[in-house]
Amino acid sequence: EPEVTQTPSHQVTQMGQEVILRCVPISNHLYFYWYRQILGQKVEFLVSFYNNEISEKSEIFDDQFSVERPDGSNFTLKIRSTKLEDSAMYFCASSDVAVNTEAFFGQGTRLTVV
Amino acid sequence: AQSVSQHNHHVILSEAASLELGCNYSYGGTVNLFWYVQYPGQHLQLLLKYFSGDPLVKGIKGFEAEFIKSKFSFNLRKPSVQWSDTAEYFCAVNEAGKLIFGTGTRLQVFP
Repeated sequence: EPEVTQTPSHQVTQMGQEVILRCVPISNHLYFYWYRQILGQKVEFLVSFYNNEISEKSEIFDDQFSVERPDGSNFTLKIRSTKLEDSAMYFCASSDVAVNTEAFFGQGTRLTVV
Repeated sequence: AQSVSQHNHHVILSEAASLELGCNYSYGGTVNLFWYVQYPGQHLQLLLKYFSGDPLVKGIKGFEAEFIKSKFSFNLRKPSVQWSDTAEYFCAVNEAGKLIFGTGTRLQVFP
C-alpha cells in the first residue's frame, strides 16, 4: 500500500537554528499538507500546497516557515529560526484531490527545540 | 470557518463496554467528515469517512459513525471495545482541502 514517508523521525535542535523536515508524498498525489501537534493538544493545520504554490496557510505559518517541493518527489517544511514553542510533532499529508477524498498522513517528525 | 467540537476529553471503559464519542461541527452545507485514531507513539490512521450517501458509515476495527445533518453531528460508536482500542480519537472536517480537527478524545480501555 502506498504511504507518505517522513524523515527524520526525531530531530533535536538548538533554539535559533534552522531545520528542514522532509516528506515524500504518495507519488500520484497533487495536494500536500503540513500539520503539527503540540504535545497533548490537537492537530493543527499549517499549510497546503498545490501546483507548486501555497494554497492556504494558517496563522501559525508565519515568516519563519516555508515549504518547497524541490523535485518531483520531496516536499519540505523549513523553519528558519526555531523557537522553543516550535517543539511539536509535524505531520505531512497528501491527497489526490482536495475534497471528497482521504488525506494520507506520514508517521510524523518529532521536533524538539532546546 | 469550520470548527469541530469533541465533548468527551477522556473516556475510561472496561473491555466489552459500548462506546460513543461525540463530534459536532459548526456549520452545514456539503461536508466531508472523518474519524482518525492515534495509537500511543504512532501516526494518525483513518478509521472511517463520510462524503455522501448512507449516513451510517462503517469503518475498520468494528467502528461506525452516524452523520446527522440536522444536529451537525458525526458520532463514533463501537458496540464492544477491546483493550487494543486504547488510543486518542480525532474527529475532523474537510474545509476546502484542509482538515480541521477536534481536540481529541483519549480512550482508555481496561481489561
